[in-house]
Amino acid sequence: NAGVTQTPKFQVLKTGQSMTLQCAQDMNHEYMSWYRQDPGMGLRLIHYSVGAGITDQGEVPNGYNVSRSTTEDFPLRLLSAAPSQTSVYFCASRGRGGETQYFGPGTRLLVL
Amino acid sequence: RKEVEQDPGPFNVPEGATVAFNCTYSNSASQSFFWYRQDCRKEPKLLMSVYSSGNEDGRFTAQLNRASQYISLLIRDSKLSDSATYLCVVNMLADSWGKLQFGAGTQVVVTP
Repeated sequence: NAGVTQTPKFQVLKTGQSMTLQCAQDMNHEYMSWYRQDPGMGLRLIHYSVGAGITDQGEVPNGYNVSRSTTEDFPLRLLSAAPSQTSVYFCASRGRGGETQYFGPGTRLLVL
Repeated sequence: RKEVEQDPGPFNVPEGATVAFNCTYSNSASQSFFWYRQDCRKEPKLLMSVYSSGNEDGRFTAQLNRASQYISLLIRDSKLSDSATYLCVVNMLADSWGKLQFGAGTQVVVTP
């Protein structure tokens, strides 16, 4: 099993550009989520999904969209990048009833 | 006030020594508690869950104090490889998904 994979590892964007951060898991987990991690702050939940076709907003959803068309994939879209979105983004998944949340390796995003 | 608070450290610990640190949470209805470990520029990984009766995993001991709303982590016989940031994670809700709240982390540096 590859676990949770994320692409790209690094990305530099200009203000106003859009892009999609990819996330996939091969553990057949129902729950998937996106977090951002900024210095001095805990991971903050952006969006999450409890199954294919079902998504909901987390703590900091503004400026981001998600979709969950399959169990495996959970892409995060930045609609119009802003410098405030410079961060490290982690995707995570968890099985129903499971305690462990598995994280992907992260995407480091710099918005100029 | 943050939902989950941690002393950021760093805790500088000589190899072989014991180190302990706490995490406080604000929601008295919180259901479950975890310690995650995060190495520099890597994804968080589950270290251990924290149970009401306290639990031990090798050199690591976790305790929960519901009355005072904190959890603790104690590392005995510290190894150089224990150097990392330790994230306190609290599940605020009782539903099957829950809303995980992350602390900003406590940095531990084990020195030779």
